[in-house]
This record gives sequence, structure tokens and C-alpha cells, in this order.
Amino acid sequence: RKEVEQDPGPFNVPEGATVAFNCTYSNSASQSFFWYRQDCRKEPKLLMSVYSSGNEDGRFTAQLNRASQYISLLIRDSKLSDSATYLCVVRKNTGNQFYFGTGTSLTVIP
Amino acid sequence: NAGVTQTPKFQVLKTGQSMTLQCAQDMNHEYMSWYRQDPGMGLRLIHYSVGAGITDQGEVPNGYNVSRSTTEDFPLRLLSAAPSQTSVYFCASSLTGGNQPQHFGDGTRLSIL
Repeated sequence: RKEVEQDPGPFNVPEGATVAFNCTYSNSASQSFFWYRQDCRKEPKLLMSVYSSGNEDGRFTAQLNRASQYISLLIRDSKLSDSATYLCVVRKNTGNQFYFGTGTSLTVIP
Repeated sequence: NAGVTQTPKFQVLKTGQSMTLQCAQDMNHEYMSWYRQDPGMGLRLIHYSVGAGITDQGEVPNGYNVSRSTTEDFPLRLLSAAPSQTSVYFCASSLTGGNQPQHFGDGTRLSIL
């Protein structure tokens, strides 16, 4: 079983829509959680960390459910510039390794 | 701020050649890692290091060597390039412990003919 699993999509949504991505992780020893954004042929860039109580950054909201071992990302009022691949990332508290999901592709349509 | 710097950005090699991909960071990060990303696939961990003098294998280490003689540098060596190693290679670094994310370099696009 993969450490981190994501629905690859693609998600095609109109501008202004709200879209949500989910991600599940297999190891309960996982400590830290992140969402990264990757544009085509570019390096992944940190979008936001995910905290236990949930957190928001502008139009983006991240949630963590440790009991069910899943992480979510909600994007409100989608913009064309949000089109990218979104990577779910988990870091274990032992070994310090990061585990990446394969990414969810989002295209925002005019 | 320089962050994570990878060189070269592009490289074409012939099968059997060797080369070193360079990675340097100026953030005093203990943890450094190398990934490869193939079309339509996620990032796969090649090797990683939790500090100078310490390295370990990731998911796909075969055909690659690393060393970590300083905190700043983490070069990746291809011993005898094979077409299957054609990929985009990313170096990343982070602090250890806590809720510390990774920071990525721009990537090296490597083609093996």
C-alpha cells in the first residue's frame, strides 16, 4: 500500500467554483502534513502546511483528520491561475522522510 | 535568497557516461534529498541525508551514489548512465523535526541517449 494516496483527477472546474481534494495516508506515525503546488515542468512549491485544528490561507483551507488518516484541501472562488497539480505530502516523525502523493490535476476553465 | 540551487539545469548524456548533479543550499538545513520525476508520475525518493556524513537510500537508489561532506552540498552521481535514468531530478532540503516543509531546487532535466 502506498504511503500517500490521492485521486489523480483531472478536476476541470469553471472559474469561481469551489473544489476539494482529499488525500489519505497509511502510517499513523506521520507527524507533519503539507500541500504543495506544482506547475507543469516546474519544481513543487509549498502551498500550505496542514495543522491539526485546520487552517486557512486566503481562498485555501486545509483540514486534517488524524482518526481517519486523511487530509483535505478546499479552494474557493477558483482562479485560472490555480490550474496546477496539487501534491499531498506527509512527513514521519522518525527518519524525517517526506512521502508524496502522485498529485491531483486541476484545470480552471474560463 | 539563493535557497536550493541545482546545476546544471539541462544535460544530455550518452549511455555509459557518468556525471554529477550538484545541489547546494544556504539555509543551514540538516535534511537534504534527491527525487526523480517521470512524466505522469509522482516524485520518487532516490537518496536522502539527515546531516553531514549521513546518507541513506530511498525508494529508487540503484544506479546513483550520494555523499554529504558538508551541510550545504549534496551531490548526486550517476555512475554509468542508462536511458531509464532520463528524468527530471529535484533536490530538496528542510530542517529536521517539527512541522518543517521541504524547499525544492529548480530541477535538472537529464536525457540519456
